[in-house]
Amino acid sequence: EVQLLESGGGLVQPGGSLRLSCTSSGFTFRSSPMTWVRQAPGKGLEWVSAISDRGDTTSYADSVKGRFTISRDNSRNTLYLQMNSLSAEDTAVYYCAKDWKCDYWGQGTLVTVSS
Amino acid sequence: QSVLTQPPSASGTPGQRVTISCSGSSSNIGSNNVNWYQQLPGAAPKILIYTNNQRPSGVPDRFSGSKSGTSASLAISGLRSDDEADYYCAVWDDSLNAGVFGGGTKLTVL
Repeated sequence: EVQLLESGGGLVQPGGSLRLSCTSSGFTFRSSPMTWVRQAPGKGLEWVSAISDRGDTTSYADSVKGRFTISRDNSRNTLYLQMNSLSAEDTAVYYCAKDWKCDYWGQGTLVTVSS
Repeated sequence: QSVLTQPPSASGTPGQRVTISCSGSSSNIGSNNVNWYQQLPGAAPKILIYTNNQRPSGVPDRFSGSKSGTSASLAISGLRSDDEADYYCAVWDDSLNAGVFGGGTKLTVL
């Protein structure tokens, strides 16, 4: 059974940083691209970033480009999202998802940016 | 405002057939495959349709997807009360070099 478990969310002040993790099991992590998607409270889904299976290709939404960095550790079956220069607009539940097509999703981790 | 346009709401009665549209452009739907997701209240999204019209195992055949030109559609037949959810289309955009989601459609079963 595919399982994705996000962690690392919490309350952070504007301008601060946070690193999210997504631990994976039930599939061959090193062979799967991975994606981050977020959802602000009461809003729709927003694609954030994606990374290839070997980690050599990454893509970002314009809204996070230059502030967020996606990475992965295939030896630990773990996906990361380093988030810097956070603002209130980044407040959201952050989901990790398997593959470019997001065929499996985690339960999400809430990031709140507030003073 | 999303590059993919969905109607904000849709509704139908039990047993009815409902269609949700997703309109894009040549750089996204016109050149890439469309996926559809269902998000039940309080839950994480779940994939319903991938590669325009393919259903993952476990998704009932009441759900179907299609694509034509720069638009895509999700059809739900034999509507049930537990189909009440938000539905999103998504696709890769070659111009943005990023994925994009539609704004979502809230389906109400009357």
